[in-house]
Amino acid sequence: NAGVMQNPRHLVRRRGQEARLRCSPMKGHSHVYWYRQLPEEGLKFMVYLQKENIIDESGMPKERFSAEFPKEGPSILRIQQVVRGDSAAYFCASSPTAFEKLFFGSGTQLSVL
Amino acid sequence: GENVEQHPSTLSVQEGDSAVIKCTYSDSASNYFPWYKQELGKRPQLIIDIRSNVGEKKDQRIAVTLNKTAKHFSLHITETQPEDSAVYFCAAIGGTSYGKLTFGQGTILTVHP
Repeated sequence: NAGVMQNPRHLVRRRGQEARLRCSPMKGHSHVYWYRQLPEEGLKFMVYLQKENIIDESGMPKERFSAEFPKEGPSILRIQQVVRGDSAAYFCASSPTAFEKLFFGSGTQLSVL
Repeated sequence: GENVEQHPSTLSVQEGDSAVIKCTYSDSASNYFPWYKQELGKRPQLIIDIRSNVGEKKDQRIAVTLNKTAKHFSLHITETQPEDSAVYFCAAIGGTSYGKLTFGQGTILTVHP
């Protein structure tokens, strides 16, 4: 089992560009969560998805941010028109059901110039 | 919503000593409390967790205690080793999913040889 796979590991964008972060959950896991970690801070919940459904997006900024988990392929976190404040580590996690332990990916470090 | 406070923010111990990290939570409905270890630039890794129907859980040198009445829980590491040096995060969740965690601010643990 390869674990939760995220790519890219590092992503550099200029202000105003789009950032796309990908997450493939562990085999057999249908629940995906995205978290953001600012420097020297804890992780903050962003969004919870199951296949083709957004279950809870209460932690997502209202503008520029979107997430999807299609029937086929990885989950995508999309940030449009990035700003410097979007610079952070974005972690994806997965679990087989809603009430089992989370396993985290290695994260994507987004840097906005 | 849930609020988790974690103390201390930094902790320095000598190899072989014990380390204790404490967290308090605000939502009395919270029923699952995991602890994560994060080394620099790496993913958070679950090291131990406890559910609200249990007061204490132990795994080799690591133990977690939970006081539901006082709404606090603690991580205890005995016989610390240099490889225990990392950032430790507590988290809490209640209700809808174990994946929508509220994390504490983190504790930087340094174990000196």
